[in-house]
Amino acid sequence: DADVTQTPRNRITKTGKRIMLECSQTKGHDRMYWYRQDPGLGLRLIYYSFDVKDINKGEISDGYSVSRQAQAKFSLSLESAIPNQTALYFCATSDTISGAPNEQFFGPGTRLTVL
Amino acid sequence: RKEVEQDPGPFNVPEGATVAFNCTYSNSASQSFFWYRQDCRKEPKLLMSVYSSGNEDGRFTAQLNRASQYISLLIRDSKLSDSATYLCVVIPADSNSGYALNFGKGTSLLVTP
Repeated sequence: DADVTQTPRNRITKTGKRIMLECSQTKGHDRMYWYRQDPGLGLRLIYYSFDVKDINKGEISDGYSVSRQAQAKFSLSLESAIPNQTALYFCATSDTISGAPNEQFFGPGTRLTVL
Repeated sequence: RKEVEQDPGPFNVPEGATVAFNCTYSNSASQSFFWYRQDCRKEPKLLMSVYSSGNEDGRFTAQLNRASQYISLLIRDSKLSDSATYLCVVIPADSNSGYALNFGKGTSLLVTP
């Protein structure tokens, strides 16, 4: 079984709809991240969370919100989807040893299309 | 200017060739460096960390030059299975970003028979 899972894997929606992307992990990591990937732009950070009570904005948080329901779950919401939010979305997790950053493990991605 | 810059390629090389990718970063206080590999339509996966002393893992060698703010990845004896996009990744020195990764746009490699 995959350590980091994302649902749905693919989603097509219409402008103005509310969409939630979910991420779950069984790695026991404290840190979770949401990135989006666009052709020619690489991966960019949307939000990140150090633990259940900690949520932080990333580089491109406008139009998105997140919820850390439990250590293992981190969901990303698009309150009112717009076409330029069409992208590949990745959830990632990491832990820290002695305060140092470690490898991040990515989920398989959610391909979102907003018409 | 993006913090992490890579030559996007594509690099088309024959099997058995040696190929090198370069990456530059703008934040001189960056503390951690990695190469990730991403196959088409898949998630990025860690290939190797990059240390100041340089490090090698089989056919792969990574180098870091802090003075020039430059990272490299050398692949020897290329295999068809090496075809992928290679992402240069830098983590800033401050923990305020949650140690989120700064990605380059990636360099595409195609190894041909």
